[in-house]
Amino acid sequence: DAKTTQPTSMDCAEGRAANLPCNHSTISGNEYVYWYRQIHSQGPQYIIHGLKNNETNEMASLIITEDRKSSTLILPHATLRDTAVYYCIVRRNYGGATNKLIFGTGTLLAVQP
Amino acid sequence: GAVVSQHPSRVICKSGTSVKIECRSLDFQATTMFWYRQFPKKSLMLMATSNEGSKATYEQGVEKDKFLINHASLTLSTLTVTSAHPEDSSFYICSASIRDRGLAFHNEQFFGPGTRLTVL
Repeated sequence: DAKTTQPTSMDCAEGRAANLPCNHSTISGNEYVYWYRQIHSQGPQYIIHGLKNNETNEMASLIITEDRKSSTLILPHATLRDTAVYYCIVRRNYGGATNKLIFGTGTLLAVQP
Repeated sequence: GAVVSQHPSRVICKSGTSVKIECRSLDFQATTMFWYRQFPKKSLMLMATSNEGSKATYEQGVEKDKFLINHASLTLSTLTVTSAHPEDSSFYICSASIRDRGLAFHNEQFFGPGTRLTVL
């Protein structure tokens, strides 16, 4: 599975949009972009995923560039509870054991009051 | 929906003893479950993948005789840390992949809350 590169940490003011970038320049055509987050001492939480189209759900929006070499996770109105480590992961999606996720170091998002 | 539980949430044991951690999918069937380990301020490291009714597949460097995984049913997987030592102290997290939600190939993983193991 393709590797990803994320900034180590970011700050964001409460109530503002948080934009978390991810580079995945070696992504292949059948690999999806997944985002998870981990609040301190908890298990990771699924946020969103996409293949090539932009996606939006109740938690966030995912913007994928046309060449698919990078993406941005957007939290439209960050709250203090959004402080967490955010992981961008790319992987194929054929089911079963191929669903395994390889976590990188992620981005620690600190939402400031 | 898609809730995964782990038991116990915390365990302290003496060196040399064995510890069993349970991972359950509460409201769905999971043909595949995954076990991760996380050291302080580090990322999650995949240990093994388990499929219901078959042997687990271990990642390189993970000792299968030390970390016994059993996936006896579609809702339960267990990880047993045998002859635990202080260096096994870690945060162990399981996840389950939903078997079929009518969304083929969109197999999100849902994670348990984790088990904090401390070996004295």
